[in-house]
Amino acid sequence: NAGVTQTPKFRVLKTGQSMTLLCAQDMNHEYMYWYRQDPGMGLRLIHYSVGEGTTAKGEVPDGYNVSRLKKQNFLLGLESAAPSQTSVYFCASTTSPGGRFFGPGTRLTVL
Amino acid sequence: GQSLEQPSEVTAVEGAIVQINCTYQTSGFYGLSWYQQHDGGAPTFLSYNGLDGLEETGRFSSFLSRSDSYGYLLLQELQMKDSASYFCAVGGDLTGGGNKLTFGTGTQLKVEL
Repeated sequence: NAGVTQTPKFRVLKTGQSMTLLCAQDMNHEYMYWYRQDPGMGLRLIHYSVGEGTTAKGEVPDGYNVSRLKKQNFLLGLESAAPSQTSVYFCASTTSPGGRFFGPGTRLTVL
Repeated sequence: GQSLEQPSEVTAVEGAIVQINCTYQTSGFYGLSWYQQHDGGAPTFLSYNGLDGLEETGRFSSFLSRSDSYGYLLLQELQMKDSASYFCAVGGDLTGGGNKLTFGTGTQLKVEL
């Protein structure tokens, strides 16, 4: 089992560019999440999904879109990147109430 | 809304016991979780308390008091590899809330020789 994987691991964008972050899990989990983590802060929820074909907004959804076309994949899109979106992005999945399996993260810099 | 408070930094000696506290204010409560994160790494799940009391997993224990809106993570026989950030998180509603968690800002634990 690979668990939760994320691609890419690192990315540098210019302001206004777009990109898609891919998250994949092989544990057959229903729930999937995208978080961002900024220095000295906890994880903030961007969007989440409770099953294939569903998505919902989290705490900080502005500037991001998501899709869950297949149960194992959860995509996060940045439509027009801004420097404020420089962060580390973590994907996670679970079936249990308090636990999460996190991916290794994507370090994104927007210039 | 939900808010959590935990100390920003704790320092302890190798072999000692350390307790990291977490107090929370929530509109609805389902459970308290703890996560460990090493520098540059991903958070890893340590424990979940859905009911009052103590949960023990090896050298780590976690406690919850719902009446006090308070919990703690207890680390025993500290090792250098325990130096990391520790996050508490509240949430975990599987019945329709999306099973969302709200995370605290983390406690940086430094273990010294």
